[in-house]
Amino acid sequence: DQQVKQNSPSLSVQEGRISILNCDYTNSMFDYFLWYKKYPAEGPTFLISISSIKDKNEDGRFTVFLNKSAKHLSLHIVPSQPGDSAVYFCAASPGALNFGKGTSLLVTP
Amino acid sequence: DAGVIQSPRHEVTEMGQEVTLRCKPISGHNSLFWYRQTMMRGLELLIYFNNNVPIDDSGMPEDRFSAKMPNASFSTLKIQPSEPRDSAVYFCASSGGQGNTGELFFGEGSRLTVL
Repeated sequence: DQQVKQNSPSLSVQEGRISILNCDYTNSMFDYFLWYKKYPAEGPTFLISISSIKDKNEDGRFTVFLNKSAKHLSLHIVPSQPGDSAVYFCAASPGALNFGKGTSLLVTP
Repeated sequence: DAGVIQSPRHEVTEMGQEVTLRCKPISGHNSLFWYRQTMMRGLELLIYFNNNVPIDDSGMPEDRFSAKMPNASFSTLKIQPSEPRDSAVYFCASSGGQGNTGELFFGEGSRLTVL
């Protein structure tokens, strides 16, 4: 039973536009959320995180928003670049990270 | 600093054979995780260790799977006997140490194909 869900398997965005990746979770005990980025033939790498005491965290072009009442978080990438094309995983803790199935982002020139 | 090191990177074997995947975590990290990635299920946690002790193995699919961590710098994931449905990419990750933020550091994965 997946406790972290990414319902969009893929997303295509034009370069320069905003990419919005969504994630829902079911376990109200989760208090720390992370986004990972994965290129083909590589392991996932950490991108950005947010604690449940915040509703927004920003790092350069990447911003994560958390809506605890809706048990929803989103990753915004502005502006999107072709190098952002990858699979993005949402994850939640405590304990071992629970991952979603991932969203494959394609940024076209 | 060396990252998480996994071997082999690729393994092709026949059904019924034993498969052993290996992992060396980042030095100083005290938690180690084994994940499996498939198209259907995404990244699934199989088992994780804290200070070499298995904490949660509820994700291990069945008795054919076993994992050990004999010391802080080495872990194995064994599948015996292997089946075609075990074909996936297996990732090892570690975390912990000074300044721990809960972030996991992943290896490059071991791609297993069982024919």
